[in-house]
Amino acid sequence: QKEVEQDPGPLSVPEGAIVSLNCTYSNSAFQYFMWYRQYSRKGPELLMYTYSSGNKEDGRFTAQVDKSSKYISLFIRDSQPSDSATYLCAMKGAGSYQLTFGKGTKLSVIP
Amino acid sequence: EAGVAQSPRYKIIEKRQSVAFWCNPISGHATLYWYQQILGQGPKLLIQFQNNGVVDDSQLPKDRFSAERLKGVDSTLKIQPAKLEDSAVYLCASSLDSAGSPLHFGNGTRLTVT
Repeated sequence: QKEVEQDPGPLSVPEGAIVSLNCTYSNSAFQYFMWYRQYSRKGPELLMYTYSSGNKEDGRFTAQVDKSSKYISLFIRDSQPSDSATYLCAMKGAGSYQLTFGKGTKLSVIP
Repeated sequence: EAGVAQSPRYKIIEKRQSVAFWCNPISGHATLYWYQQILGQGPKLLIQFQNNGVVDDSQLPKDRFSAERLKGVDSTLKIQPAKLEDSAVYLCASSLDSAGSPLHFGNGTRLTVT
């Protein structure tokens, strides 16, 4: 079993839809959870950064962490064509520098 | 704030040739990382520097890959000799420290080995 599992998609939604992206993980030591957005031919760009369980909201983006289920989510409200990208989840343990990434989910938002 | 700078953006070489990539991290960031991202995969850590010292190079294929960070700022990653399976995007990232700070990535160097 991989440490971090993420459905690679592709996921295609109409403009304005609510998008839900998810990752599961097996390492209970993970404490920091991140979502990166990667446009084609660009480096990953940090979107959300959360510590431990709970929700965090930033504009149209909401990150959720459920440590009891080892499950994290990213919700995008009112999705836009500019949200079309690959979304990578990443996580690491407290005091650790090792960042473990999921494979990424490719999202297309159709106008 | 200027981001992480990498060069070149693209490189095509034949197998068994050598290649080098350069990275300039965000000013003041003590920690620098090199990641390898194969098409369709998440980035995989190759090596991490704290200032100019190596913290982790356990996943670096040391028979062909080498990296250095002179003076604790810029870094170079070298491959010699290259293999077909080295075709990937090589991403440099930096962070303020290695514990809780988020990573900021450059746009990477896309390497094609023919």
